[in-house]
Amino acid sequence: SQTIHQWPATLVQPVGSPLSLECTVEGTSNPNLYWYRQAAGRGLQLLFYSVGIGQISSEVPQNLSASRPQDRQFILSSKKLLLSDSGFYLCAWSGRTGKETQYFGPGTRLLVL
Amino acid sequence: GDSVTQMEGPVTLSEEAFLTINCTYTATGYPSLFWYVQYPGEGLQLLLKATKADDKGSNKGFEATYRKETTSFHLEKGSVQVSDSAVYFCALSRAGGSYIPTFGRGTSLIVHP
Repeated sequence: SQTIHQWPATLVQPVGSPLSLECTVEGTSNPNLYWYRQAAGRGLQLLFYSVGIGQISSEVPQNLSASRPQDRQFILSSKKLLLSDSGFYLCAWSGRTGKETQYFGPGTRLLVL
Repeated sequence: GDSVTQMEGPVTLSEEAFLTINCTYTATGYPSLFWYVQYPGEGLQLLLKATKADDKGSNKGFEATYRKETTSFHLEKGSVQVSDSAVYFCALSRAGGSYIPTFGRGTSLIVHP
């Protein structure tokens, strides 16, 4: 069966520090991969998605970036965190047809102080 | 473009009450429709889905029917429990698009004993 992992689960970082969040998927190949952010009490904001290794599409201009170095690995990064980067970060994967279920990871709660 | 509209929350109910959360959508073609649930501190998980008109998705006592004539996918449950307290997201995805699903803003459900 498929499994999606995210780490760390919780992170407290000072403003201006770098960030690296990792997401890995097991039990499937060639998935579409997604990074979302969820501010407290708000809906989902799509940040990045990827349809293949090295293929990243950005939905929101900001100080975050994403990379997909391997088929089932998706990394969210920042060189300098802002206070506004605080939130709940969710990684998700889906199949390739465009009509498929999204499967979400457990999330990373980031607090920037 | 595609859009999903959900009723504003929070919805507050007593245990064993009847639940309806409204969802309407705008999309070209024939999207798949989904309800996801997010329990506190967790990622989203699929609750139910329907892939074509008049399909009924059901799971854990929840039901939703794909109504193309009214472009709706309302979530219902006959008797809610305290453990159903969560945020519910309506979503759609379709083939031939950009692989990006469209989510509603989420509806918070609070069930009191």
